[in-house]
Amino acid sequence: QVQLVQSGAEVRRPGASVKVSCKASGYTFSSSDINWVRQASGQGLEWIGWMNPNNGNTGYAQKFQGRVTMTRDTSITTAYMELSSLRFEDTAVYYCARGKVWFDPWGQGTLVSVSS
Amino acid sequence: QSALTQPRSVSGSLGQSVTISCTGTSSDVGGYNYVSWYQQHPGKAPKLIIYDVTKRPSGVPDHFSGSKSGNTASLTISGLQAEDEADYYCCSYAGTYTWVFGGGTKLTVL
Repeated sequence: QVQLVQSGAEVRRPGASVKVSCKASGYTFSSSDINWVRQASGQGLEWIGWMNPNNGNTGYAQKFQGRVTMTRDTSITTAYMELSSLRFEDTAVYYCARGKVWFDPWGQGTLVSVSS
Repeated sequence: QSALTQPRSVSGSLGQSVTISCTGTSSDVGGYNYVSWYQQHPGKAPKLIIYDVTKRPSGVPDHFSGSKSGNTASLTISGLQAEDEADYYCCSYAGTYTWVFGGGTKLTVL
């Protein structure tokens, strides 16, 4: 079955960077975009950006431009989302999700905590 | 982009129907037929329940339905069941390869 499995929880200091991975299985990795979405505790979903695993093209929400980088390693069918210059308000669960126009399925989520 | 507008909460009794609205602009909801809806139970990842405004993925019960009029999309849940109690989010294409979510609606089944 189609599955996305994400890396474990991370704790970072303000100003640091974090890189979250998302391993895909059960389908042809290069055939579907990977999107990243985050959710702060008790808050709604916020779209971060997308990546085309076939050619590496990306698109980011304006809010995250300059701080986020999405990459992939096709040899291990894994997508990555790196967020830099972390702030306290970046504390959230980060999800990867497959799809170009709708998102299905989603990974289990990765908690990124920014704490001093 | 600004988040799409959803009611913070709705409620309905078992067996009744509820509708959750999702209001955007002509630059997102009104401009494209790319509205999707997601169900999220506490502590779980979101799950796709409606895509392309009205379509249901395989395995999603048919008491979920979607529609759109102008800049407002709607999710209707008929014959409410206890397991429908969850948070619901709409999402729309917003042009130039960007997407925007609604703020989410908490559904309480009485």
